[in-house]
Amino acid sequence: GENVEQHPSTLSVQEGDSAVIKCTYSDSASNYFPWYKQELGKGPQLIIDIRSNVGEKKDQRIAVTLNKTAKHFSLHITETQPEDSAVYFCAASFPGNQFYFGTGTSLTVIP
Amino acid sequence: DTAVSQTPKYLVTQMGNDKSIKCEQNLGHDTMYWYKQDSKKFLKIMFSYNNKELIINETVPNRFSPKSPDKAHLNLHINSLELGDSAVYFCASSQTDGVDEQYFGPGTRLTVT
Repeated sequence: GENVEQHPSTLSVQEGDSAVIKCTYSDSASNYFPWYKQELGKGPQLIIDIRSNVGEKKDQRIAVTLNKTAKHFSLHITETQPEDSAVYFCAASFPGNQFYFGTGTSLTVIP
Repeated sequence: DTAVSQTPKYLVTQMGNDKSIKCEQNLGHDTMYWYKQDSKKFLKIMFSYNNKELIINETVPNRFSPKSPDKAHLNLHINSLELGDSAVYFCASSQTDGVDEQYFGPGTRLTVT
């Protein structure tokens, strides 16, 4: 089955700085790569996703890049704010299959 | 309107008991899931279910069983609870399986004493 690795496990940044979280996957059949944000006491919520026919996608301060050849994808958050503090999960999947989640990154934005 | 709801939010019970967690989605989705999140925050799929097929993660003990009375509900039954079952359980749903956004419920924190 698919194996998704996520780094780093914890990340602290100063408010206003950028944060980058990286994931690698093993199954070349995977073609859907979502990112979820989980705030304390809540369920994960999708913040951005990318499909394999696209190399980059942006939504305001959040961007995701995908390198299918190298089987890795990254989440970039610019101009971080305290409300960005949460646990972030990457995942990989393909049609008819389950999500394989990464191990999570706990992001702390220091005011 | 809550898209995916779970009850109860907290569940404290003793070893050996049998308990159920209920999940309902009002999104009209075809596929529902149960996940277990342990103390290290790892999210593990337990089951995925649509009106055609139940897919069980092979590592899930058969003490766990999903029950779906209709497309909008997927309940989780746990028999003979063990200490290691303590975790947060999340229900989720999506339009199709594999390549659509999954909407998660708020979670049920299960504590087995």
